[in-house]
Amino acid sequence: EAGVAQSPRYKIIEKRQSVAFWCNPISGHATLYWYQQILGQGPKLLIQFQNNGVVDDSQLPKDRFSAERLKGVDSTLKIQPAKLEDSAVYLCASSLVGGFENIQYFGAGTRLSVL
Amino acid sequence: EDQVTQSPEALRLQEGESSSLNCSYTVSGLRGLFWYRQDPGKGPEFLFTLYSAGEEKEKERLKATLTKKESFLHITAPKPEDSATYLCAVQAGNTDKLIFGTGTRLQVFP
Repeated sequence: EAGVAQSPRYKIIEKRQSVAFWCNPISGHATLYWYQQILGQGPKLLIQFQNNGVVDDSQLPKDRFSAERLKGVDSTLKIQPAKLEDSAVYLCASSLVGGFENIQYFGAGTRLSVL
Repeated sequence: EDQVTQSPEALRLQEGESSSLNCSYTVSGLRGLFWYRQDPGKGPEFLFTLYSAGEEKEKERLKATLTKKESFLHITAPKPEDSATYLCAVQAGNTDKLIFGTGTRLQVFP
């Protein structure tokens, strides 16, 4: 079974530029998550989708971050404009459904460096 | 505020030297506690889920246990390939988000 696919693997940009990340979840997984992992820390949830709808975006910096999940499958996360503190690994995860006994499976992540 | 604390931050073991990693948590309404393994440059890999105090799960050289305040990941006779960062996370209340600790970086030397 194919895992969660993410691209690109690495991205280097200047501050104030924009960047986008792409995620393809495990086939059949209705729930998709974007996490931010700063070096030396655990991942922190940015946004959760259930099919096409947003379930939780309470920790998404909405002035610069946006995300969408068209047709309930692939998702993109965008940062515009980027700040130095956005340097991190952006992880996508998916699960069959939300709720009890819900296991989240992670992709390899996109490492973003903002210079 | 829900919080997860892992200790130690780093652990160096000789091959075959058993030890334990600790994950203490403060949450309202624990739904599940998760252990993940993360290798450099990769995403977290799921290991175990524990749901109630007293529960234990095993996988090869790893055994996870859960109490009302903490979880332990016991590593028996570790091998160099067990070297990784081990992350603990909790799900609480009515949200699906995982709240992670900062991890324990384990190095096992031959």
